[in-house]
Amino acid sequence: DAKTTQPPSMDCAEGRAANLPCNHSTISGNEYVYWYRQIHSQGPQYIIHGLKNNETNEMASLIITEDRKSSTLILPHATLRDTAVYYCIVTGGSQGNLIFGKGTKLSVKP
Amino acid sequence: GAVVSQHPSWVICKSGTSVKIECRSLDFQATTMFWYRQFPKQSLMLMATSNEGSKATYEQGVEKDKFLINHASLTLSTLTVTSAHPEDSSFYICSASGVRLWANVLTFGAGSRLTVL
Repeated sequence: DAKTTQPPSMDCAEGRAANLPCNHSTISGNEYVYWYRQIHSQGPQYIIHGLKNNETNEMASLIITEDRKSSTLILPHATLRDTAVYYCIVTGGSQGNLIFGKGTKLSVKP
Repeated sequence: GAVVSQHPSWVICKSGTSVKIECRSLDFQATTMFWYRQFPKQSLMLMATSNEGSKATYEQGVEKDKFLINHASLTLSTLTVTSAHPEDSSFYICSASGVRLWANVLTFGAGSRLTVL
């Protein structure tokens, strides 16, 4: 699985868009980008995933650069409940055994 | 949507006793379940992968005789921490992957916080 690099922490004002970057410069052609988040003392929650096209669902948007070496998770209107650690995971495995890095701690402030 | 129930949510036990944690997929058949451990202020660490009807595969450094995993049905996996010691105190989280779901789109349980006195 490709290594990912995320900033350790970010702040965002409530109601504003939160843009969380992830660098995965060694990603290979068959590897997907997955985003999960973990709210304090809870299990992780799946957010979104993509291969090369931008993706959007009810939670977030995922923007993947054309060379696929980086991506950005966008929470369009952050709320206080979006405060969590966000994990970017790159894998082409079919087993589902995700390897979590340190993630980005997003703090949404009023 | 897919739901994974984990029980108990927290448990306190004495050193030397064994503790069992259950992980159930409520509305889908989980062909594979994963067990993670998370220490305070650290990320999740994969402990083992369990496939229904077969022996679990443990990650390097995880003692299989200490952390017993049973995946007897498509909806239930259990983790038993045997002869628990204070250093086993941690947040244990299970996740499940179903046949109809993307393999890496996992549904996680809420976690079980184990405190060993």
